[in-house]
Order: sequence, then structure tokens, then C-alpha cells
Amino acid sequence: DTGVSQDPRHKITKRGQNVTFRCDPISEHNRLYWYRQTLGQGPEFLTYFQNEAQLEKSRLLSDRFSAERPKGSFSTLEIQRTEQGDSAMYLCASSFGTGDYGYTFGSGTRLTVV
Amino acid sequence: AQTVTQSQPEMSVQEAETVTLSCTYDTSESDYYLFWYKQPPSRQMILVIRQEAYKQQNATENRFSVNFQKAAKSFSLKISDSQLGDAAMYFCAYRSAFDQGGSEKLVFGKGTKLTVNP
Repeated sequence: DTGVSQDPRHKITKRGQNVTFRCDPISEHNRLYWYRQTLGQGPEFLTYFQNEAQLEKSRLLSDRFSAERPKGSFSTLEIQRTEQGDSAMYLCASSFGTGDYGYTFGSGTRLTVV
Repeated sequence: AQTVTQSQPEMSVQEAETVTLSCTYDTSESDYYLFWYKQPPSRQMILVIRQEAYKQQNATENRFSVNFQKAAKSFSLKISDSQLGDAAMYFCAYRSAFDQGGSEKLVFGKGTKLTVNP
């Protein structure tokens, strides 16, 4: 098991373009979480899945954001019509059960919108 | 809504010395979990230590220990015998307990950047 993998590590895109990030959790983990982290801030919750069901979405997740976890395995986070304010590190994490013992985080995808 | 406050944006410590990072939180819940995560530069976030609110005993993990004061809503992290590899951003985080019916999300503070001087 190689931990939580995120792809790509870095993404530079022009404003208005769509981008998609992928997260592969630890295989036996049924929970998967997405967070966004901007410079100088702690991570902010975006959404999470239990298996393939999306159980909670933050108000931060505007209509331009969508996340999926087909078949309860990997997850994708898509941002449509990117804006400069979307520039951030997007972190994925997974846990077995409700995460009472903490999550395992991936290394993140750094998005830069120019 | 719960909030987490880390009042020290930056801290520094000499190698082999002890440092304490502060964290306070606000909640109306009686049962919850608290965590300290370490984020080295350009590397993934790693769990350092966790505390269950209903346990009075402070958690310890090798050189890392916490001072959990439930009434004061304080959760500080003490790093003993600091090593160069301890240099990182440290984040305090809060999570509702499952039986509270609250969210499973982690609520993070803004972090404390720890520098370890040789």
C-alpha cells in the first residue's frame, strides 16, 4: 500500500479552463475527503464520501465544483471555469470508518490559475 | 460552528530543547476529538497525536505530548528534545464525535510554523 495518491502534483491553467484532479485512497479506506488549503491558512473542508455516496458538501463548494467517487474507489474533483481565487493546494485524505483515529493525507495537487 | 485558534504564527526552538505550541477551540459539544498534524515543506500532512475529549489523561507519543484542558478549551502540543526533522507547519484540528451527530470534517487552525535551530 503506497498511501493516498494524488495526481497531478502541480497544475497551471488559464482562467476559464476546466481542471480535474484525481485521488486514489488507501484501498481499505471507505471514507474519502477533499480539502483546500491556501497560503498561510489551514486546510478547509470541501466534501467527503462514504464509499460512493457524497455525504457532505461545504458551502465553499460552489456550483463550479463537482466531486465524484464512482464505485467507492478513486475520486475526482473537477473545477469548471476556473478563477484566480481557485489557486490553492487541493488535499485528499482517506480514513477507515469515521476517522476517529485521524486521516491519511495525500501530498496534494497545487493549482495555479493564471 | 466550531472554530480552532492557533495564536502563534511562528515559533522557534533550539535543537534538543522543548517547545510548546498553543491551540484553543470553541465548541458547544461535549464529545469530540482533537488532533495535531505536522506538514513539512512540500510534503504531506502527518498525524502527530490525537486526544479524545472524554479521556482526562493527556495523550503522549514518544517526544510529543499534549496538555488538554477541557474546561478551558485548550489543547497545547509539547515537543521534547526537538530535532531538526521537527521543523514544519503544525496544525491543530477539531472533529465532532460520531455520537454527537455532527460533521465528520476536520476543522483546522491556521497553523504554527516551527523552526528548529541547530
